[in-house]
Amino acid sequence: SQQGEEDPQALSIQEGENATMNCSYKTSINNLQWYRQNSGRGLVHLILIRSNEREKHSGRLRVTLDTSKKSSSLLITASRAADTASYFCATDYGGSGNQFYFGTGTSLTVIP
Amino acid sequence: DTAVSQTPKYLVTQMGNDKSIKCEQNLGHDTMYWYKQDSKKFLKIMFSYNNKELIINETVPNRFSPKSPDKAHLNLHINSLELGDSAVYFCASSQEGVLSSPLHFGNGTRLTVT
Repeated sequence: SQQGEEDPQALSIQEGENATMNCSYKTSINNLQWYRQNSGRGLVHLILIRSNEREKHSGRLRVTLDTSKKSSSLLITASRAADTASYFCATDYGGSGNQFYFGTGTSLTVIP
Repeated sequence: DTAVSQTPKYLVTQMGNDKSIKCEQNLGHDTMYWYKQDSKKFLKIMFSYNNKELIINETVPNRFSPKSPDKAHLNLHINSLELGDSAVYFCASSQEGVLSSPLHFGNGTRLTVT
């Protein structure tokens, strides 16, 4: 399946530290997106990186994409307690439709 | 105002019952979706729908059916509920014609089948 897989499944860090999460996928894509899910809430879009891009920044977020390895990473710098959430990568179907396949998520806990 | 809203937030029902979850979006998006999130947080697409095409994930049982009275609404109807249907169901929307535009999610409906 096209489903992505995040690694690690769970991550616990101290406030102020950086958090790195990885995502691997199986087939070609047009783009890859990262989402955040707070407990009991829906997913919120964070950042999109296209297949012809290698790195993208948004505030404290940095995303990289390596299409040769079919992997992406999300780096959150100077983490805050409010960053505690689950983070998911989503890959499109690689076709013309707008179908997205999500990974299993990384649960991040930032300890104040 | 909430962009994608779904009701109810919680739904507890017995096996064999039929239930519906409602979803509305006020973003003017053309495409709406239903996702199922299991207890391990795995998020699986069930349907995507716009006024032209319904795409059904082939693994979704035909007890599940989307119903769209207009492009701002996509309701999910479930017949003959089973224990395995217990999960959190998310509605989402995106803008058609914009390849891979971000999804906007509702806050989910937690369905518990007893």
